[in-house]
Amino acid sequence: GESVGLHLPTLSVQEGDNSIINCAYSNSASDYFIWYKQESGKGPQFIIDIRSNMDKRQGQRVTVLLNKTVKHLSLQIAATQPGDSAVYFCAEKTSYDKVIFGPGTSLSVIP
Amino acid sequence: NAGVTQTPKFRILKIGQSMTLQCTQDMNHNYMYWYRQDPGMGLKLIYYSVGAGITDKGEVPNGYNVSRSTTEDFPLRLELAAPSQTSVYFCASSLNGLAGDDTQYFGPGTRLTVL
Repeated sequence: GESVGLHLPTLSVQEGDNSIINCAYSNSASDYFIWYKQESGKGPQFIIDIRSNMDKRQGQRVTVLLNKTVKHLSLQIAATQPGDSAVYFCAEKTSYDKVIFGPGTSLSVIP
Repeated sequence: NAGVTQTPKFRILKIGQSMTLQCTQDMNHNYMYWYRQDPGMGLKLIYYSVGAGITDKGEVPNGYNVSRSTTEDFPLRLELAAPSQTSVYFCASSLNGLAGDDTQYFGPGTRLTVL
């Protein structure tokens, strides 16, 4: 069946280091992928997205990489800051209006 | 704009009670969604609406009902609360739906406990 999963449920990084959060998806027909950040007690917040016809997209301090061959995407955060501490979700759009969320990775930034 | 607002923030229900979770958006978005998030898990879609008067089921609709009488409001109704409905509920909206890779904006959530 369809599923989106994360390789690492928790990640701790030193402030200033780069963070890499990974995500695997199983539906090769998915054409749109989204990364969300969820801080404690708040709703998910859009970070960056990527379409399946791209393999890389950059934002401010964040980069998403998509490898369709192995059905994997990753979120890279440059110069990680304490404010980046949150749970990060990847999500895939499998069909019109249907989005499947992964279970999330908790990122902790060590000052 | 206030964005997406949800009330209440917290609620405790007894088994069998009913309640309505309110959701309002002031961005004139056509699409609205209800998700639930269980501890340590991602979000699962309960119901969504593509416009006033139109609603459709998501992945986990059982035990819930929705209505969309206006563009702004999308209440979620629990008729007979069960412990399995203990969760955090998030409402979201988007302008034109995900077909156009449209961004979803989420509310702050309602934490519901059923005892």
